[in-house]
Amino acid sequence: QKEVEQNSGPLSVPEGAIASLNCTYSDRVSQSFFWYRQYSGKSPELIMSIYSNGDKEDGRFTAQLNKASQYVSLLIRDSQPSDSATYLCAVKQNSGGYQKVTFGTGTKLQVIP
Amino acid sequence: EAQVTQNPRYLITVTGKKLTVTCSQNMNHEYMSWYRQDPGLGLRQIYYSMNVEVTDKGDVPEGYKVSRKEKRNFPLILESPSPNQTSLYFCASSLTGTPNQPQHFGDGTRLSIL
Repeated sequence: QKEVEQNSGPLSVPEGAIASLNCTYSDRVSQSFFWYRQYSGKSPELIMSIYSNGDKEDGRFTAQLNKASQYVSLLIRDSQPSDSATYLCAVKQNSGGYQKVTFGTGTKLQVIP
Repeated sequence: EAQVTQNPRYLITVTGKKLTVTCSQNMNHEYMSWYRQDPGLGLRQIYYSMNVEVTDKGDVPEGYKVSRKEKRNFPLILESPSPNQTSLYFCASSLTGTPNQPQHFGDGTRLSIL
């Protein structure tokens, strides 16, 4: 089982709709969770971070974390064509005082005008 | 401007010829890390460093070396490159290694080993 799993997609949504991206992780000691956006050929850029159970909102983006079920999700409201990219889920673990980061393989999002 | 700078951006070389990819950050970050990104496999951590002279292996360290002699620099060394190390490489840094610190990425280095 992969440590961090994402559906590779592509996930296609019409412009203005809500895009829902999901990520599950296997290590219960995972402490921090991040969503990065990566345009083709570019480097990942941070969209959201979340550390405790519940929802965290930032503009059109909402991250949701459920540690009991070991999943984290990203909702994008009012999706725009410029949101078309690959979204990477990252999980940070504290293993014996050292910080290890594990990324999922990413979900490709296509917003159709 | 706060940034993580990698060099070179592109490199084509041959099997066995030692190479170094440099990474430098100007944000006084303690934590630095190297990743490789391959289709279908995503970003995989090669090595990371919590601070000067403190490094540790990530998920795919075989065939790579790193050093952290200065806080701002974290070079990735391929002593004897092989074709399976052809990949897109990213360097990243964060203020500290604590869990709540997100990472800032460089623009990437595309390596082709023939």
